Amino acid sequence: GQNIDQPTEMTATEGAIVQINCTYQTSGFNGLFWYQQHAGEAPTFLSYNVLDGLEEKGRFSSFLSRSKGYSYLLLKELQMKDSASYLCAVYQGGANNLFFGTGTRLTVIP
Amino acid sequence: DAGVTQSPTHLIKTRGQQVTLRCSPKSGHDTVSWYQQALGQGPQFIFQYYEEEERQRGNFPDRFSGHQFPNYSSELNVNALLLGDSALYLCASSSAGGGTGGTPSYEQYFGPGTRLTVT
Repeated sequence: GQNIDQPTEMTATEGAIVQINCTYQTSGFNGLFWYQQHAGEAPTFLSYNVLDGLEEKGRFSSFLSRSKGYSYLLLKELQMKDSASYLCAVYQGGANNLFFGTGTRLTVIP
Repeated sequence: DAGVTQSPTHLIKTRGQQVTLRCSPKSGHDTVSWYQQALGQGPQFIFQYYEEEERQRGNFPDRFSGHQFPNYSSELNVNALLLGDSALYLCASSSAGGGTGGTPSYEQYFGPGTRLTVT
């Protein structure tokens, strides 16, 4: 079967660092995406990993281990505006679509 | 550069009715995918259109159908609406010819969505 697991909710303090984990089991793998989605809005692209290792983009970094079926999104210097849902999605080669997890709702507190 | 646009923004329908949602892809994009996102869930893939044909389909019944026009815009039609069809419907566009910044051609840009409520 296919499955993507993420924690449902997380809370972190402004200025801190938070790591959101994602484990996946999918039929086909051709890359892993992280999206940010504010309530009532469309998902916006954050990062993409297809090879093992860490990709850094400003305050956001994403890590992938294909052998472990594991990824994480690291958010540094948290700001209040980072309060949102973070969606892990696998691109399934040949299926031409993104398979999404249920998302992690992050709340940043002062 | 216009992003992905969708219409209408919100829609209220009655059980058993039919609905049509519309999407215009980002400029330069030729592929449109539709997703259904129930409250508190991640988006679920409905289908994808490329060159005016349905290229891939997710696990949705035939009540869900679509169309792509020569200008790459797309429609999602849902017949015989059920209460469970209430959701945010997202359209995402991509370019079969390649993405930007090293991301793959299947990097998908999402529209703002249509919030469908079935009563």
